[in-house]
Amino acid sequence: GAGVSQTPSNKVTEKGKYVELRCDPISGHTALYWYRQSLGQGPEFLIYFQGTGAADDSGLPNDRFFAVRPEGSVSTLKIQRTERGDSAVYLCASSLKGGVYTGELFFGEGSRLTVL
Amino acid sequence: SQQGEEDPQALSIQEGENATMNCSYKTSINNLQWYRQNSGRGLVHLILIRSNEREKHSGRLRVTLDTSKKSSSLLITASRAADTASYFCATDMYSGGGADGLTFGKGTHLIIQP
Repeated sequence: GAGVSQTPSNKVTEKGKYVELRCDPISGHTALYWYRQSLGQGPEFLIYFQGTGAADDSGLPNDRFFAVRPEGSVSTLKIQRTERGDSAVYLCASSLKGGVYTGELFFGEGSRLTVL
Repeated sequence: SQQGEEDPQALSIQEGENATMNCSYKTSINNLQWYRQNSGRGLVHLILIRSNEREKHSGRLRVTLDTSKKSSSLLITASRAADTASYFCATDMYSGGGADGLTFGKGTHLIIQP
């Protein structure tokens, strides 16, 4: 596709359930980022992939959160034992390359997660 | 944690007027970027200014960077109703070993009154 694609666009789940959010980056973009955005706030960094490896996962709030990018393209953000505080919009972004400088990020439309 | 802080948090002006938003940050940076977000949508990149640049223009946008004051401003000239959105500054922090992505501020919500 032409842009970053995220699915599902909306996810409603119950507390304690497991959730997967998918991101399909722009073809050829080696760097992929996950952010979380709460209402009225700016995006909060979660994790950054360079190719298949997680180059920086320091933003993951706890061990319930995990992300993979097995083939260096599509990425999945996994949240175990969801809590109401996990409710937010999860944004994925990709860029041509990471490295020393972070250039322009291309964002998807986000996945809105609501935990009841 | 959020590195950048935009000011004001909200701004309402008349169509045709200029809008100025400010961003302050705390640590040394490689570059600073501005993004726009329409309600319920993803972020869209507007402009990037490097740490060795002081001013940059793109269409109706003008960005300045003062690294001594750790601040940046975004000016939108001749505003239009379609400029109504939230605007975020994002910094690429100098980590010495490589990029760890961008750190965003809380944003300025801009409303253009027709």
